[in-house]
Amino acid sequence: GENVEQHPSTLSVQEGDSAVIKCTYSDSASNYFPWYKQELGKGPQLIIDIRSNVGEKKDQRIAVTLNKTAKHFSLHITETQPEDSAVYFCAASPNQAGTALIFGKGTTLSVSS
Amino acid sequence: NAGVTQTPKFQVLKTGQSMTLQCAQDMNHNSMYWYRQDPGMGLRLIYYSASEGTTDKGEVPNGYNVSRLNKREFSLRLESAAPSQTSVYFCASTLGTGYYEQYFGPGTRLTVT
Repeated sequence: GENVEQHPSTLSVQEGDSAVIKCTYSDSASNYFPWYKQELGKGPQLIIDIRSNVGEKKDQRIAVTLNKTAKHFSLHITETQPEDSAVYFCAASPNQAGTALIFGKGTTLSVSS
Repeated sequence: NAGVTQTPKFQVLKTGQSMTLQCAQDMNHNSMYWYRQDPGMGLRLIYYSASEGTTDKGEVPNGYNVSRLNKREFSLRLESAAPSQTSVYFCASTLGTGYYEQYFGPGTRLTVT
């Protein structure tokens, strides 16, 4: 089955710097790759996603890139702010009806001002 | 629109006790999921229901049972709780499996002593 590896597990940056989180997946049939943000005491919330027919997607300060050949995808956050501090999860969806998302283990991002 | 609701928010059980975690969504979603979240382990899928009337095992189903009561409700039952089931449990729902955003509930923090 699908396996998703996420790195780093923790990331500390200064306010205004960029942050990059990387994920690799094992199932070449996976074709949907979302990123979720989880704030303390809350459930995860979708922040951006990408499908396999697209190489890059951007939404204001957040961007995701996908390299299907290498089976990895990355989250880029520019001009980080203290409110970006949270746990971020990547996920992959195998291309089979009835299957569910497989999540990475998460990255704790700390943005200090 | 309440989204995904979970009850209870907190629960303490003794080893061997049973309980049911309740989940309901009001978004007319077809698919529902139960995850557990443990430190350093990310979100691991316990069971999911791709559509009303169907349920399937996820990565860590042992010790749990589920019921898709109707399109809105998906419950998770622990028949004989064990300390290893101490975790935060999240319910989620999507319009359909695969490509769609998962909406998460606020979670249930369960402690088994």
